[in-house]
Parts: sequence; C-alpha cells; structure tokens
Amino acid sequence: DTGVSQNPRHKITKRGQNVTFRCDPISEHNRLYWYRQTLGQGPEFLTYFQNEAQLEKSRLLSDRFSAERPKGSFSTLEIQRTEQGDSAMYLCASSLEVGNTEAFFGQGTRLTVV
Amino acid sequence: AQKITQTQPGMFVQEKEAVTLDCTYDTSDPSYGLFWYKQPSSGEMIFLIYQGSYDQQNATEGRYSLNFQKARKSANLVISASQLGDSAMYFCAMKEKGGGNKLTFGTGTQLKVEL
Repeated sequence: DTGVSQNPRHKITKRGQNVTFRCDPISEHNRLYWYRQTLGQGPEFLTYFQNEAQLEKSRLLSDRFSAERPKGSFSTLEIQRTEQGDSAMYLCASSLEVGNTEAFFGQGTRLTVV
Repeated sequence: AQKITQTQPGMFVQEKEAVTLDCTYDTSDPSYGLFWYKQPSSGEMIFLIYQGSYDQQNATEGRYSLNFQKARKSANLVISASQLGDSAMYFCAMKEKGGGNKLTFGTGTQLKVEL
C-alpha cells in the first residue's frame, strides 16, 4: 500500500447521468476526506469520514451528491443527475487521527460533463 | 473574507536560486496548523511542510522552509536551490482546531523553474 488510490482517473459523462468514484485510502488511516477542485482554484472541502461515520459535510455537497464509507475502508462518491457545473477534479485524501495529521492525497478523478 | 490568500498567481525562478511563495491567513482560532502542498501537472497533491500555531521554531523539511510570522499572519514557503522538478502549482492551506478537520486552501501559485 503505497498511497491513496482513486478510480477512475478520468470520467466523461453526459449531463443527467449518474457517476460514482472510488477512493482507497492508506490502510491504517481512519480519516478520509473528499475535495473538489475546479480550474484555477484550490481544492474545496466536500465531506469527511472518521472510520465509517460521515462527520462533516460542506454546503457544497448538494442533494445530488452522496458519499459512503461502509466498512471504514474505501469510500465512494456518487453524483446523481450530473450537471456541467460538476465538471472538476475530485480529490480524496486520508490521514491518521492523531499527530500532525497531514492529509495524503490521491491523484484525483477528473470529471467532465458534456 | 478569504481565509488563505496567495497573491502570486505565477512565479519564475532560475535553477539553483531560492524562491519565496507568499501566504497570508485569517483566523481567530488560537490553535491552527498551516500546510504547504505541491501539485504537479499529474494532479496529485504532495504534502511538503507543516507549521503549528504554537510551534516556536520555523518548520524545515530538506530544501523547504516555512517563514512563519504569527503576528503578521503569514506563512511563506521558501524553496532553496530550485530544481527543474520544482515546477508545479503550490498551495497553502490551513486547518483550524475549531473548524472540524477540513483543510482550507488558497488559490495557489504556479512556479516555473528556468535554466
């Protein structure tokens, strides 16, 4: 286990379709985060899990977005009825609960809604 | 108000020279952490360096050092002996103790290292 893994790396979808992304964190990390990054901007926080519990959600996470981490390991982020404004890089990160708690990021999933 | 401000959209530096990337922050939380990340064109965010609000000394990690000026609320990143591989986007970020566990990022600085 060398780092945070995200799949797919790229996704092109038609407006109105549903998409699901997967994130596999570093195995001993119990905290998992989702961020969204649009062109020319820094990442923006979407949601955070500690183990399987979703403890925090940004108001950016509309009703069309849902995230799960059913067994406290991998996580999925689903976007329903995609819109062109959903086009962005979706980044997953994980961290330990104690200590410095710097987050380690995956390479992201780039979503393009056409 | 912006919590993290990076005023340099782009910077150029010659190979082997030092460069300073600016970051100012805004918080009323006495306990916070400041982070710098590097994002190459591949997209992955790479952690570089961390400074805690109560740390007495400036953080250093190899060629990276953080010039932490608490009273001025600035946390500038200094990269010494720049290399071509340092060309990337650099983000300053903050985690506030009272702000959950999320990182708040600035808009980034694109660094280009030239021969």
